[in-house]
Amino acid sequence: DAGVIQSPRHEVTEMGQEVTLRCKPISGHDYLFWYRQTMMRGLELLIYFNNNVPIDDSGMPEDRFSAKMPNASFSTLKIQPSEPRDSAVYFCASSFSSSSYEQYFGPGTRLTVT
Amino acid sequence: DAKTTQPNSMESNEEEPVHLPCNHSTISGTDYIHWYRQLPSQGPEYVIHGLTSNVNNRMASLAIAEDRKSSTLILHRATLRDAAVYYCTPQSNYKLTFGKGTLLTVNP
Repeated sequence: DAGVIQSPRHEVTEMGQEVTLRCKPISGHDYLFWYRQTMMRGLELLIYFNNNVPIDDSGMPEDRFSAKMPNASFSTLKIQPSEPRDSAVYFCASSFSSSSYEQYFGPGTRLTVT
Repeated sequence: DAKTTQPNSMESNEEEPVHLPCNHSTISGTDYIHWYRQLPSQGPEYVIHGLTSNVNNRMASLAIAEDRKSSTLILHRATLRDAAVYYCTPQSNYKLTFGKGTLLTVNP
């Protein structure tokens, strides 16, 4: 299996622009997680889905952030409008509920907002 | 959410065992204890997990205290490729809560 795939790997954008991050989970996994990692706050869970349905979005920082999972093989995290404080590495992870719940992380998207 | 406490950093020599401690005194009775590690410029990688009993896999061993308030990740023979940040994280309702982790340095 190719593992969790994220795109783009790097994104540089100007403040105020819309940013869309993409994730393809491991085939057959029914849980998908979005995390954000910064030096100041560490690794934070933003939202997670089960069978394409958002279960817990309590970590989403504000209304500028939204996430969707239109099907089992694709999810997006959108920031509109972006701000410099959104600069971070965003990770997507997936897991399979019938296993021991270990999460498999993607390589991350490094976002820089200028 | 349960809080975890880990040393900021630890150092080891290659080929020697490493014991990485974690305190999780507020963990609930049904939370699994997971360990992940993160190599530079990569996403976290699952290492091992357990509930009450000690666990072994090809990567490491996990020793869980009888009262479940602490655990220790054991790397039996550290290699240079084991240099990473190691996170101890309780899993509750499928969610993982990451702390600052322990930066492990392995000396050749």
